[in-house]
Amino acid sequence: EVQLVESGGVVVQPGGSLRLSCAASGFTFDDYTMHWVRQAPGKGLEWVSLISWDGGSTYYADSVKGRFTISRDNSKNSLYLQMNSLRTEDTALYYCAKDLYSGSYEFGYWGQGTLVTVSS
Amino acid sequence: QSALTQPPSVSGSPGQSVTISCTGTSSDVGSYNRVSWYQQPPGTAPKLMIYEVSNRPSGVPDRFSGSKSGNTASLTISGLQAEDEADYYCSSYTSSSTFRYVFGTGTKVTVL
Repeated sequence: EVQLVESGGVVVQPGGSLRLSCAASGFTFDDYTMHWVRQAPGKGLEWVSLISWDGGSTYYADSVKGRFTISRDNSKNSLYLQMNSLRTEDTALYYCAKDLYSGSYEFGYWGQGTLVTVSS
Repeated sequence: QSALTQPPSVSGSPGQSVTISCTGTSSDVGSYNRVSWYQQPPGTAPKLMIYEVSNRPSGVPDRFSGSKSGNTASLTISGLQAEDEADYYCSSYTSSSTFRYVFGTGTKVTVL
């Protein structure tokens, strides 16, 4: 059974930094592109970032580019999101997600999310 | 980076059909058959309902179907049931050089 478990969400002040983690199990982690998707309270889904199976390719939403860095450790079956220069508008539930099939283009499995609150 | 456009809400009685539209551009929906749909009941994580425009993952009822014409994709729920009440989001791969995916604005489906 595929499991994605996010952690690291806390309350942080504007301008602060935070690192989110996603522990993966139930599939061959290094076969898959991984994603972060966020949802602000009461709002819609927003794709944040992706990293290829080997970490060689990364992409970011314009809203986080230059402030967030996605990474992975295939030896630990883990995905990360380093978040710097946080803004109040980054407040959201952050989900990690994987493709349905290796090399496909949808978010087939999701974690339950970890809540990041940026507030003074 | 603009979101795909969906109607804010649609509603129907049990047994009826409802259709949700998802309008993008020639850089996303219009260029790729990589449109997917997600169901999100309140307080839960999204669930994949349709991928590659019209394919259903294992376990998704065949009441859910997807299609695409030009820059607009659609999700149809036939034989509407009470448990279908949820928010629905579309998503598409995009040809941008910097970002790769975009979501729709979301549609609340209400079963009357």
